Amino acid sequence: DAKTTQPNSMESNEEEPVHLPCNHSTISGTDYIHWYRQLPSQGPEYVIHGLTSNVNNRMASLAIAEDRKSSTLILHRATLRDAAVYYCIPADRGSTLGRLYFGRGTQLTVWP
Amino acid sequence: DVKVTQSSRYLVKRTGEKVFLECVQDMDHENMFWYRQDPGLGLRLIYFSYDVKMKEKGDIPEGYSVSREKKERFSLILESASTNQTSMYLCASSLASAGGGELFFGEGSRLTVL
Repeated sequence: DAKTTQPNSMESNEEEPVHLPCNHSTISGTDYIHWYRQLPSQGPEYVIHGLTSNVNNRMASLAIAEDRKSSTLILHRATLRDAAVYYCIPADRGSTLGRLYFGRGTQLTVWP
Repeated sequence: DVKVTQSSRYLVKRTGEKVFLECVQDMDHENMFWYRQDPGLGLRLIYFSYDVKMKEKGDIPEGYSVSREKKERFSLILESASTNQTSMYLCASSLASAGGGELFFGEGSRLTVL
């Protein structure tokens, strides 16, 4: 399984963009990159995922490096509600089991 | 609204008791999972199931067993609870889709073993 490296913590001010990095240099060519986040006292929730191209949805954007060794989750305008632990998780495209390994993630603090 | 429901938010049990944690999903998902979460250790996979009556060990199955008699229900069983099983337990489900479908989590069950 591919290993990921994320900063332990990051900070942002409200309404500013946030770029959350993830290094996954051992990722295989068939791995998707998933991002989840966990708000305080809740279970994790899905944010976004991608394979090669950059992806956008209503929550965030995902920028994947051309060599796929790293990716960046972009929150365009942070809100207080975005304060959470963010997890970057590779997932084998060839598997339908849905087994995901959650590392320790990045604790994002958002200041008003 | 999609939903994963865990039977109890908070439980307090005594060492040696048998503990059942129940999880029900209403999305007709094939895959179901049990994780535990401890400070500094993140989420660790205990067991998962990809079909009725099928189960696979995760990374930390020792001291736990599971049951999946119906597609919508996945139970975690602690045969003889111990204090080191005090933790937050999270159930999740997903569709069987390539690359892993979106995981939907319950709100968690915080178990304290005295």
